[in-house]
Amino acid sequence: AQSVAQPEDQVNVAEGNPLTVKCTYSVSGNPYLFWYVQYPNRGLQFLLKYITGDNLVKGSYGFEAEFNKSQTSFHLKKPSALVSDSALYFCAVRGLHSGGYQKVTFGTGTKLQVIP
Amino acid sequence: DTEVTQTPKHLVMGMTNKKSLKCEQHMGHRAMYWYKQKAKKPPELMFVYSYEKLSINESVPSRFSPECPNSSLLNLHLHALQPEDSALYLCASSHPGSSYNEQFFGPGTRLTVL
Repeated sequence: AQSVAQPEDQVNVAEGNPLTVKCTYSVSGNPYLFWYVQYPNRGLQFLLKYITGDNLVKGSYGFEAEFNKSQTSFHLKKPSALVSDSALYFCAVRGLHSGGYQKVTFGTGTKLQVIP
Repeated sequence: DTEVTQTPKHLVMGMTNKKSLKCEQHMGHRAMYWYKQKAKKPPELMFVYSYEKLSINESVPSRFSPECPNSSLLNLHLHALQPEDSALYLCASSHPGSSYNEQFFGPGTRLTVL
């Protein structure tokens, strides 16, 4: 069975500093990994994904993520945090469901707080 | 149009009521999903439709009844709900048939069961 772990419930970072939100995964076969962001009382917004190729993936709003196969990690990063980045971030992995269909499994989420 | 719309935004219902949640997308996606999300928790998959056919039911109680009348619309019919069913209900869509297609989410319906 596939799984995703986000070890930090909350990450605090000062505005202008680099940020990292951690994610590790477990999946059979090739990993298809995603990051989503959720603002209060809103749906999830897609940020970026890793399918294959370069280990550094660039996404929306200046975010990027580094895929590390040996450490089974897919950490989300941004060089300079903005107050508007404060939100709930979900890492997700997509793999085969028992019925032969694709299923997305989400991590428990990490609340990012950017301090002015 | 890269948007998934959901109506209503908020819904309050009693345990004996019947109501429906609606979801619509015009991106040509042929996979549509219902998720349930409790506060500060990840979304939990409820149902998946692929090419208008139900492909995944995650052992959801029968008081939730999904319907996909066409490739753009997805409904969730609610009947005899319990207070613990109060949550944010999210609809999503994607291109089916590939592992690497991201899902597009609607803003959700905030459901309160009294």
